[in-house]
Amino acid sequence: ILNVEQSPQSLHVQEGDSTNFTCSFPSSNFYALHWYRWETAKSPEALFVMTLNGDEKKKGRISATLNTKEGYSYLYIKGSQPEDSATYLCAFKARQAGTALIFGKGTTLSVSS
Amino acid sequence: GAVVSQHPSRVICKSGTSVKIECRSLDFQATTMFWYRQFPKQSLMLMATSNEGSKATYEQGVEKDKFLINHASLTLSTLTVTSAHPEDSSFYICSATGWRAGNTIYFGEGSWLTVV
Repeated sequence: ILNVEQSPQSLHVQEGDSTNFTCSFPSSNFYALHWYRWETAKSPEALFVMTLNGDEKKKGRISATLNTKEGYSYLYIKGSQPEDSATYLCAFKARQAGTALIFGKGTTLSVSS
Repeated sequence: GAVVSQHPSRVICKSGTSVKIECRSLDFQATTMFWYRQFPKQSLMLMATSNEGSKATYEQGVEKDKFLINHASLTLSTLTVTSAHPEDSSFYICSATGWRAGNTIYFGEGSWLTVV
């Protein structure tokens, strides 16, 4: 059974704080790791699709790293803003053709001003 | 703007009736669509994968006769919950991908189903 774990489950920070959270996934049969940002009542928004070990991707104040050998990815948010408040999902895709994404439970971030 | 649109966003139905949820890709041809269900405090759980023009592939434990999935065109997939019961009350969300989407999988907004 493929298992994707995210930690922490929830996080509360002050505006301006930097934060990071973790996604753990199976290290074998890896194809891609997806990060999504999900605001209430909206569609999950794709942040990153990471495929190579050592990958680092950046989008504004948000960045992510990938270690496929040990099966983890970190998402970093620099200088958190209230609009960053959302649930951040990671999802693992295995190498077999047609396999769907296996999701973690998400990390819910709340940023206070 | 939305790339994948899901409708309705909320629906309440009586026990024993059927309800249909639509998932439309707006900007690309969705060769593959996925249907997920999420119970409170749980992960999004894959229910089925559908490829356009083919029968859906259901995950273990998902009743195909209860959750009918149709993907008859490259822009529309539907999930019909037949003979709904209160335990079917959940959040259902679709996602789609296709040639133009590359590695990205786009999600709809999700649908809250309440069976009373």
